[in-house]
Amino acid sequence: QKEVEQDPGPLSVPEGAIVSLNCTYSNSAFQYFMWYRQYSRKGPELLMYTYSSGNKEDGRFTAQVDKSSKYISLFIRDSQPSDSATYLCAMRLSGSARQLTFGSGTQLTVLP
Amino acid sequence: DGGITQSPKYLFRKEGQNVTLSCEQNLNHDAMYWYRQDPGQGLRLIYYSQIVNDFQKGDIAEGYSVSREKKESFPLTVTSAQKNPTAFYLCASSMETGTDTQYFGPGTRLTVL
Repeated sequence: QKEVEQDPGPLSVPEGAIVSLNCTYSNSAFQYFMWYRQYSRKGPELLMYTYSSGNKEDGRFTAQVDKSSKYISLFIRDSQPSDSATYLCAMRLSGSARQLTFGSGTQLTVLP
Repeated sequence: DGGITQSPKYLFRKEGQNVTLSCEQNLNHDAMYWYRQDPGQGLRLIYYSQIVNDFQKGDIAEGYSVSREKKESFPLTVTSAQKNPTAFYLCASSMETGTDTQYFGPGTRLTVL
């Protein structure tokens, strides 16, 4: 079993839809949670960074962390064709270790 | 312009040859990382370095080598011992204190012919 599981998709939605992307994980020691967006043939860019449980909102994006269920989500409101990309969840332990553990990514297409 | 640069963007190699991928950053970040990405898989850590002249193996270090002689540079050598080197290679960097967000370069796509 992988430490971080992410539905690979592909996921297609119409423009304006609310998108929900999810990851589950097995290591309860993970404390920091991130979502990266990766356009085709490009490097990932950080979208959201959260610590421990709770919600964080940034524009059309909301990240949720439920540590009791070992489940994190990224919601995209009013999705746009420019949101079409692969979304990667990542997480790491607390302390000095900075290594990230990534999910396999979900490929999202927003249709105009 | 601050950021991370990787070169070349595309690289072709014959079997049995070593090849070195370049990664440079001008963000004054202490830590640097190399990841490998294969289709349908997440990023897997090859090597990382938290300070100059020091580096540690990641999850899939076999067949790879690195050096960290300067803070700005962290080249990765893919050796002939790497059984399946065709992949997309990503370099990242981060601060060691405060927000330790990892910033990624544009990647190098290596194809072994």
